[in-house]
Amino acid sequence: EVQLVESGGGLVQPGGSLRLSCAASAFTFRNYAMSWVRQAPGKGLEWVSAISKGLSTYYADSVKGRFTISRDNSKNTLYLQMSSLRAEDTAVYYCAKPETTETTGGGMGSPFDSWGQGTLVTVSS
Amino acid sequence: EIVLTQSPGTLSLSPGERATLSCRASQSVSSSYLAWYQQKPGQAPRLLMYGASSRATGISDRFSGSGSGTDFSLTISRLEPEDFAVYYCQQYASSPRTFGQGTRLEIK
Repeated sequence: EVQLVESGGGLVQPGGSLRLSCAASAFTFRNYAMSWVRQAPGKGLEWVSAISKGLSTYYADSVKGRFTISRDNSKNTLYLQMSSLRAEDTAVYYCAKPETTETTGGGMGSPFDSWGQGTLVTVSS
Repeated sequence: EIVLTQSPGTLSLSPGERATLSCRASQSVSSSYLAWYQQKPGQAPRLLMYGASSRATGISDRFSGSGSGTDFSLTISRLEPEDFAVYYCQQYASSPRTFGQGTRLEIK
């Protein structure tokens, strides 16, 4: 069974930095584009960032220039380096896997069939 | 970016009743790349439908999806207690992928 396990969340002050990790198992990680999706408390889902198999990266306008997505295929792990954090970045961050390996533009063309349990990031002084 | 608008915001129904949820896109969603997810409190979203009308693995046939272009719907034929949750539509045709704001299905 596919498993995605996020870690690295916590309380950080505005302007601070945090790195999230997502450990993947039970599928061939290197063959899939991967994404981060977040959900602010009591709010809906927002796609944040994606990275393709070929390491091309994609970002929502709301995080562009502040967040960096990366992956280590030798460790089957996805990362999200977050800097210049703002109160509005407070959310549960999920990593998500597309249903198929045949995607474009960082996972487009496929829904997410597997999600992690999420890790909470709280930006507050 | 494609904006998805879900309606109603909240739907109050009783077990055994039929639920119909709507998702309208601001522009045509090509190839019907429209998915539906179910989310229960404290849990990650779960994929229900993809390609507008295909059920994901393990999803009950009480769930069905339809639509194309800009208008899509999710129907739950006979509500079970475990169906009461929040439902999101998502388009994955055009970058950035976007989600609707959600419909909360609550027990009447």
